[in-house]
Amino acid sequence: QSALTQPASVSGSPGQSITISCTGTSSDVGTYNFVSWYQQYPGKAPKLILYDVSNRPSGVSYRFSGSKSGYTASLTISGLQAEDEAAYYCTSYATGLYVFGTGTEVTVL
Amino acid sequence: QVQLVQSGAEVTKPGASVRVSCKASGYTFTDYYIHWVRQAPGQGLEWMGWINPNSGGTEFPQKFQGRVTMTRDTSISTAYMELGRLGSDDTAVYYCARQYYYSYFMDVWGKGTTVTVSS
Repeated sequence: QSALTQPASVSGSPGQSITISCTGTSSDVGTYNFVSWYQQYPGKAPKLILYDVSNRPSGVSYRFSGSKSGYTASLTISGLQAEDEAAYYCTSYATGLYVFGTGTEVTVL
Repeated sequence: QVQLVQSGAEVTKPGASVRVSCKASGYTFTDYYIHWVRQAPGQGLEWMGWINPNSGGTEFPQKFQGRVTMTRDTSISTAYMELGRLGSDDTAVYYCARQYYYSYFMDVWGKGTTVTVSS
């Protein structure tokens, strides 16, 4: 069971939109619409920001949105803000198991 | 409020075992799976497995088969993760997180427990 593939880093200027990809296989992302995304600040626990590909938990900014096509899920952050600078991880259900993405560091320029 | 409170930091030696606890409050303990996720220094998140507090059933990825044990004590709403035959590469922050039975995401996380393996 290999980790899902994410870009190591993505950057953008305030107000811009950025997209983070999360590529899996037919065993996970390609089969299940159970992809979730987590935001993590240094030294803190991860926080759920999207679930089931594109659903936002209560209290999460509308600027976070998700989608999926084939084996790749994507997280888009629109109207980038300084507070969005963090690490982002995707995860997918994979028939009783779970697999995380490799993680992406977002830098706000 | 809903929270998962983890046990304190551990320092242990190679070859030993470590047990981390995760005490749930603010919700019905047996209605949610408990996952364990670890993060080595400067690295990403790694899923270690889950336990069903209702049945005690567990599931782990092959990497941890035979080396990790997950248990629970429903009388005190606490889940435990024990990892054996520790090596230096097991030095990490270990998190517990809950997942509602009919969902596929982890919505509440503990603050993490730092485990350091050093001779």
